[in-house]
Amino acid sequence: NAGVTQTPKFQVLKTGQSMTLQCAQDMNHEYMSWYRQDPGMGLRLIHYSVGAGITDQGEVPNGYNVSRSTTEDFPLRLLSAAPSQTSVYFCASRRTTDSSNEQFFGPGTRLTVL
Amino acid sequence: EDQVTQSPEALRLQEGESSSLNCSYTVSGLRGLFWYRQDPGKGPEFLFTLYSAGEEKEKERLKATLTKKESFLHITAPKPEDSATYLCAVRHSNYQLIWGAGTKLIIKP
Repeated sequence: NAGVTQTPKFQVLKTGQSMTLQCAQDMNHEYMSWYRQDPGMGLRLIHYSVGAGITDQGEVPNGYNVSRSTTEDFPLRLLSAAPSQTSVYFCASRRTTDSSNEQFFGPGTRLTVL
Repeated sequence: EDQVTQSPEALRLQEGESSSLNCSYTVSGLRGLFWYRQDPGKGPEFLFTLYSAGEEKEKERLKATLTKKESFLHITAPKPEDSATYLCAVRHSNYQLIWGAGTKLIIKP
């Protein structure tokens, strides 16, 4: 199993540009989520999904869109990039029936918005 | 206000010098407390889940404990490979996670 994969690993955007961060998992996990990690702060939830066709907002959803057309894929779209979106983005997945609620994280995408 | 606070922010130890990391929380309706390890440039890696006060979990040199207000991650006789940032997260009554900012642990050989 590849686990959770994310692409790209690094990205530089100009203010106003749009892009999609890709996330895929091969563990047949129902739950997938996107976080951002900023220096000195805890991980913050952007959007999450409990299954194909179902998405919901997390703590900091503004400026981001998601969709979940398949169990495996959960892309995150930046609509019009702003410098405040400079961060490291992590995708995570877990099995909803796992009593430990262990989340599996991808390697992250480091995004810089100029 | 619901929050999770980890202390210290950074901790430097000599190899073999045992210590503890703290995670204090104020969350209504605790649904679990989680510890993760994060190496530089990588995603967090799951360590433990604790659900009720008095519960303890162990893995190699790590032991996690839970009270009604805080959790401790005890590290016994650490090795340089234990150097990492340790993250604590608490599940709220709405089942979403609140994460602490982490403790950066450095073990010197």
